[in-house]
Amino acid sequence: EPEVTQTPSHQVTQMGQEVILRCVPISNHLYFYWYRQILGQKVEFLVSFYNNEISEKSEIFDDQFSVERPDGSNFTLKIRSTKLEDSAMYFCASSVGGSRGEKLFFGSGTQLSVL
Amino acid sequence: GNSVTQMEGPVTLSEEAFLTINCTYTATGYPSLFWYVQYPGEGLQLLLKATKADDKGSNKGFEATYRKETTSFHLEKGSVQVSDSAVYFCALTRGWVAGGTSYGKLTFGQGTILTVHP
Repeated sequence: EPEVTQTPSHQVTQMGQEVILRCVPISNHLYFYWYRQILGQKVEFLVSFYNNEISEKSEIFDDQFSVERPDGSNFTLKIRSTKLEDSAMYFCASSVGGSRGEKLFFGSGTQLSVL
Repeated sequence: GNSVTQMEGPVTLSEEAFLTINCTYTATGYPSLFWYVQYPGEGLQLLLKATKADDKGSNKGFEATYRKETTSFHLEKGSVQVSDSAVYFCALTRGWVAGGTSYGKLTFGQGTILTVHP
C-alpha cells in the first residue's frame, strides 16, 4: 500500500527557533493535513490544505504556524518560533478527496522536542 | 463541539480472548465514525468505518456498529491475537454540511493501548 513519508522522525530544537517538518503525501492525493499529539493527550487536528490553500484550521494553528506545498510533492509545516508547549508528535496525513467517510493515510510522525 | 470518549486503557488480554473497547461520542447531526489503529513505529491506519446509523464496519475480524440511540461505536473482536497489540483510536468527522466542506477534520478519542499475551 502507498505510504505517507515524514522526515525527520525526531527533531530537537531550542525554544524560539524555527523548525520545518516535512512530509511527502501519496502522489495522487489532493487533500493534506497536519495533526499533533502532545504526550498523554488526544491526537488533535491542526490544519487541512487543498488546492494550494488552507481549507480549515483549528484554534491551535495560530500565526506561528504555516503550511506550504512548495514543489508539488512535499507538504511542510513550519513553526516560526517554537515554544516548549509545541513539543509533540506531529502527524502528516493525506486523502484522495475530502468526502464523508474518506480514508486518511497517516505518516509515522515526527517527534518534536523543544528544549 | 464534537468530542469522542474512549475506554481508558491499557487493556491486557490473553490470546483468543474477547475484546471490547468502548467508544461514545458527542456530535451534531450524523457524523461518520472510524476506528484507527497504530502499530508500534507506524502511522495511524484506518481499521474500519461507518457513515450512517446502524451501519456495521468490519475488517480483520474487528467489528463496530454505529448506534445513534446510544451515541456509541464500540470496537469488538471475538478472538484477539498477539499481532493485534497496538493503540486503537476512535474518531469522528462532522455530519453532512452544505457547501462542499472537507470532511478530513477528525476528532479523536484518547486512544486505548491493547497488549495481547500468548
